[in-house]
Amino acid sequence: ETGVTQTPRHLVMGMTNKKSLKCEQHLGHNAMYWYKQSAKKPLELMFVYNFKEQTENNSVPSRFSPECPNSSHLFLHLHTLQPEDSALYLCASSQEGSYEQYFGPGTRLTVT
Amino acid sequence: AQSVTQLDSQVPVFEEAPVELRCNYSSSVSVYLFWYVQYPNQGLQLLLKYLSGSTLVKGINGFEAEFNKSQTSFHLRKPSVHISDTAEYFCPPFPGFQKLVFGTGTRLLVSP
Repeated sequence: ETGVTQTPRHLVMGMTNKKSLKCEQHLGHNAMYWYKQSAKKPLELMFVYNFKEQTENNSVPSRFSPECPNSSHLFLHLHTLQPEDSALYLCASSQEGSYEQYFGPGTRLTVT
Repeated sequence: AQSVTQLDSQVPVFEEAPVELRCNYSSSVSVYLFWYVQYPNQGLQLLLKYLSGSTLVKGINGFEAEFNKSQTSFHLRKPSVHISDTAEYFCPPFPGFQKLVFGTGTRLLVSP
């Protein structure tokens, strides 16, 4: 595997389910990000992790719970989501101090 | 602080025609400018960047952009587009490391 990978690529879940999105970067970076991309809305930065420590949380509802066990892996735990949470969730990584972020292909989430 | 404006939400163009996607910026500090591209069903990737030096920046897939300080612009150009260039293009401002704000982008639609 190279670059940034995300699994699953597609996920359909009910509002009472609990699921997790996984992101893995194979680039040796030390910063990782979660973004939300909804139709016709700007890309929203959700969380930032540096060296496994969360450094940014942009007022994201508590039904989204991130976890970064090491610099290569990032999870987004989901529970009791709402239909408006349906979106493409993108993971990215970068080297600290770098201007460039590398993105995964995203997980297309549908909440029914 | 730095802000950018992408002037067009959608740009339709015929294959092999030239294209220009417009981005204007305002900044009271040093200027760092980027173009990212998102192909259908993929994450974003860096197309090109201007940090300093030559004002004409060449990126991947035949794209280039010119930093114009007097017009505060950083427009993206390609002399002849292909169907495969159909994508969403983002010119995010740079408020600081790890704080890229991607906005809604410009959708380039290339038709035969």
